[in-house]
Amino acid sequence: DTAVSQTPKYLVTQMGNDKSIKCEQNLGHDTMYWYKQDSKKFLKIMFSYNNKELIINETVPNRFSPKSPDKAHLNLHINSLELGDSAVYFCASSHAGLANRAHEQYFGPGTRLTVT
Amino acid sequence: RKEVEQDPGPFNVPEGATVAFNCTYSNSASQSFFWYRQDCRKEPKLLMSVYSSGNEDGRFTAQLNRASQYISLLIRDSKLSDSATYLCVVNRYNSGGYQKVTFGTGTKLQVIP
Repeated sequence: DTAVSQTPKYLVTQMGNDKSIKCEQNLGHDTMYWYKQDSKKFLKIMFSYNNKELIINETVPNRFSPKSPDKAHLNLHINSLELGDSAVYFCASSHAGLANRAHEQYFGPGTRLTVT
Repeated sequence: RKEVEQDPGPFNVPEGATVAFNCTYSNSASQSFFWYRQDCRKEPKLLMSVYSSGNEDGRFTAQLNRASQYISLLIRDSKLSDSATYLCVVNRYNSGGYQKVTFGTGTKLQVIP
């Protein structure tokens, strides 16, 4: 069974379009994340949600809007796509890293977004 | 200065060799540390946590040096299947008590037959 799944796996679209990427985890985790990995392979956190609430929002353009309908889902909507948005987007989940106990993250397979 | 820094490599080593990677972090409030492995065009996966006392898992040994603010990963008897990018991960906690995760840029290892 897939622990963290993302759809679509590949997304090719034109500048200016709006697109969404979906993420679901069946691990019972209460924290979910979105990461962007650019062409230089640098993995940078974008958002973190705990129990459907936003807890970390790094410096990300407001064209990116995460939505968490429940603990098991964290979707990413991107408006007005730009060339620089081309990257691999990874969803991840973990138990909440509270009380100084960090927990490992489980990653989805990634969504390779190409903006033309 | 980046919060987490790694030598990007690539490290090209022959099978059977021992190789070590270091990762430095800038925030002394960092509290937990991990090594992840990422194969080409795949997602990162946890390799091992890094404990203060150091820990070993088979051919892999991780060490933490808080005074100098670095962690290390040692791989003994390298296998071809060890070829991957190794990502250092550093966690600290924000004002709400939630972990803030920072990944290093990764060190690429290529094990050569």
